[in-house]
Amino acid sequence: DTGVSQDPRHKITKRGQNVTFRCDPISEHNRLYWYRQTLGQGPEFLTYFQNEAQLEKSRLLSDRFSAERPKGSFSTLEIQRTEQGDSAMYLCASTTTDNQPQHFGDGTRLSIL
Amino acid sequence: GEDVEQSLFLSVREGDSSVINCTYTDSSSTYLYWYKQEPGAGLQLLTYIFSNMDMKQDQRLTVLLNKKDKHLSLRIADTQTGDSAIYFCAESMGSNDYKLSFGAGTTVTVRA
Repeated sequence: DTGVSQDPRHKITKRGQNVTFRCDPISEHNRLYWYRQTLGQGPEFLTYFQNEAQLEKSRLLSDRFSAERPKGSFSTLEIQRTEQGDSAMYLCASTTTDNQPQHFGDGTRLSIL
Repeated sequence: GEDVEQSLFLSVREGDSSVINCTYTDSSSTYLYWYKQEPGAGLQLLTYIFSNMDMKQDQRLTVLLNKKDKHLSLRIADTQTGDSAIYFCAESMGSNDYKLSFGAGTTVTVRA
């Protein structure tokens, strides 16, 4: 069991640039979740996939954010025209469909200059 | 996290027991979870409890659930310096999406 893998671990970029993060879930997990965690807060739900279908998006996910899971395995989260307020830790989690606990990756920390 | 509340800080002496408390508001929550986060890392699942249970014990960890009061607690016996971390309480929301709603986390500091 290799666990949930996220890449990169850290990303520093200038305001206005686009960034893309990748998440590789545990191999047999067909549900994949993205959360955002700002300093001093708990993670907040952004979106989730069941296989390749994106089933729900939070209102936190503005139109600058897009997520994909094209083959039902890895997922990408893209942020276009980054803003200072996008600075956060982006966490990915995966699980099966029978309400088993979600397992988290180590996250991607995004810093906007 | 506005539906899940936790105290922000806890200081405990090494070898003592730690008790972290959490209240939640969604009576339809099916599972309640405790996660641990160390600096710069993701969340590590510690334990979880189904909403029709009132207690679960796993080695040094004991979870108590009072569904009537919507109160969840995590007791760590014989607290060690490696237990210093942020502990998050989370509830599983919704009937099918199982997305998690987290508290703001309790920072536990273990002093020698």
